[in-house]
Amino acid sequence: EDQVTQSPEALRLQEGESSSLNCSYTVSGLRGLFWYRQDPGKGPEFLFTLYSAGEEKEKERLKATLTKKESFLHITAPKPEDSATYLCAVYNFNKFYFGSGTKLNVKP
Amino acid sequence: EAGVAQSPRYKIIEKRQSVAFWCNPISGHATLYWYQQILGQGPKLLIQFQNNGVVDDSQLPKDRFSAERLKGVDSTLKIQPAKLEDSAVYLCASSLGRSRTGELFFGEGSRLTVL
Repeated sequence: EDQVTQSPEALRLQEGESSSLNCSYTVSGLRGLFWYRQDPGKGPEFLFTLYSAGEEKEKERLKATLTKKESFLHITAPKPEDSATYLCAVYNFNKFYFGSGTKLNVKP
Repeated sequence: EAGVAQSPRYKIIEKRQSVAFWCNPISGHATLYWYQQILGQGPKLLIQFQNNGVVDDSQLPKDRFSAERLKGVDSTLKIQPAKLEDSAVYLCASSLGRSRTGELFFGEGSRLTVL
């Protein structure tokens, strides 16, 4: 079954405490893996696309990496404004499969 | 560049009533999606349009949900009659339609509460 699983479901960090979010998938024929940020009451906002194993993308305190069966979103020295739900989606031919997200809370 | 526009932002109805949501995608985006997002879950695809044709509606509860995209631009999603379990945020998204690029641009969503 094509599936995307994100862990942990929720993560609480102190400001400056680095950590990683995981996205594992069993979707066949990956054509792209996407990370989105979703703030409460808003639609998801695009962060990164990764297309092949070994690829990395960075944006401010965020770095996304991709292996053959999972992706990590590394958050370095997070700030309270990084608090949000982070969604992972796998694109297969003509369809997106979304995970349930990791809710990140960064305390000052 | 204007983003994806959705309305209404919020709607409260009684069960068995009907509701309609409207979406205007980013100009030039050929592909339009409607997703249902229940609290604490990821978005679930309801229907995907390529221009004004349906690409995937396999998870659309067709006995109560309908959607159209006339003229290949804006789209309407209708629920009739609504059930309690339809309470969710309905997200509209659009993309250029090129498979390599693929990223979705989402609207703010329409939050439906069914009482």
